[in-house]
Amino acid sequence: DAGVIQSPRHEVTEMGQEVTLRCKPISGHNSLFWYRQTMMRGLELLIYFNNNVPIDDSGMPEDRFSAKMPNASFSTLKIQPSEPRDSAVYFCASSLGPPSGNTIYFGEGSWLTVV
Amino acid sequence: GEDVEQSLFLSVREGDSSVINCTYTDSSSTYLYWYKQEPGAGLQLLTYIFSNMDMKQDQRLTVLLNKKDKHLSLRIADTQTGDSAIYFCADGGGYNKLIFGAGTRLAVHP
Repeated sequence: DAGVIQSPRHEVTEMGQEVTLRCKPISGHNSLFWYRQTMMRGLELLIYFNNNVPIDDSGMPEDRFSAKMPNASFSTLKIQPSEPRDSAVYFCASSLGPPSGNTIYFGEGSWLTVV
Repeated sequence: GEDVEQSLFLSVREGDSSVINCTYTDSSSTYLYWYKQEPGAGLQLLTYIFSNMDMKQDQRLTVLLNKKDKHLSLRIADTQTGDSAIYFCADGGGYNKLIFGAGTRLAVHP
């Protein structure tokens, strides 16, 4: 299995630009998560989907952030407009979801720098 | 709300045992997890324990769970330099989501 696939691995962008991060979950997994990791705040859950439907987006920091999951094999996290404080590693993760258990498998992350 | 706490740093000598501790607040946790993150990489699932178990052993890893005190620990026997990483404790109590601790940075020195 290829695991969770994220792109881009690294992105450097200017403040004010739109950023789109992409994720392909593990085939057959029906839950998908977006996490953000920073030195200051650690690992934060931004949003998660179950069967392509957003279940909890309470971790999304503000309206500049949006996430979509148009089908079971693809999700995007968009930041528009981006700000320097958005610089972080963004992880996508997936799991089989209930009732099969909630063991979560992570992608390698998208390292975002906003200058 | 749910919270998971870990000490931030641990330094051990190569060959010694490492013990990383974690406390959590959610009493409804079904599973508790340990993840490992190496530099520049994502989080890798190391092991997990079901909440009705006290102990789980997997090669050099031993997980101990004290459900009464809501305390979880990960013991790594014969610690090697390749074990240097950040270790995250995660509580699987909520609906299909994990709450992570801040991570414990393990440094292994000769």
